[in-house]
Amino acid sequence: AQSVTQLDSHVSVSEGTPVLLRCNYSSSYSPSLFWYVQHPNKGLQLLLKYTSAATLVKGINGFEAEFKKSETSFHLTKPSAHMSDAAEYFCVVFRGAGNNRKLIWGLGTSLAVNP
Amino acid sequence: DTEVTQTPKHLVMGMTNKKSLKCEQHMGHRAMYWYKQKAKKPPELMFVYSYEKLSINESVPSRFSPECPNSSLLNLHLHALQPEDSALYLCASSHPLAGGATSTDTQYFGPGTRLTVL
Repeated sequence: AQSVTQLDSHVSVSEGTPVLLRCNYSSSYSPSLFWYVQHPNKGLQLLLKYTSAATLVKGINGFEAEFKKSETSFHLTKPSAHMSDAAEYFCVVFRGAGNNRKLIWGLGTSLAVNP
Repeated sequence: DTEVTQTPKHLVMGMTNKKSLKCEQHMGHRAMYWYKQKAKKPPELMFVYSYEKLSINESVPSRFSPECPNSSLLNLHLHALQPEDSALYLCASSHPLAGGATSTDTQYFGPGTRLTVL
């Protein structure tokens, strides 16, 4: 069965420093993986997705994630944090089989960016 | 255009009221979803429509009644709600649910309706 674990519930960084949000997944086959971001009182925005093409996936707003099968990880990174990056980030794995196709969500990581 | 729109943005209702939430997309997606999200939690799937037919109901109470009148619209009818139903209700859409296990079904979300039940 597919599942996803976000290893940190809260991450705090200073503006201009790197961001690392960690995600581990379990899947019985090659998964589809996503990162979504949710700013306060807003909907969910797709940051990036992995679909078994390149293992390094580039997303919007300078974010990228690397799929590492040997480590079952899909960590999200950004070289330099901006104040506008403060938000909730969700790592998501897609579970697919016939009509029972769903997104399995991590519990989220709250990113704070300090000036 | 990857926009999903939802109305209203905010809704306050009493426990005896009847109201509806609306969702619209024009991306040609044939799968549409309702989610419920409590503060600081991930979204919880409620319903999935595929080609305008209900394909998944996650054991949602009958006081929530979904409707998909056409391929672009999705409604959620609310009746006799409880205060614990207060939450952010999110609509999403994706390409059709394909038969293959490798389909990504990337979901695009609307901004949500913030519902408060008094």
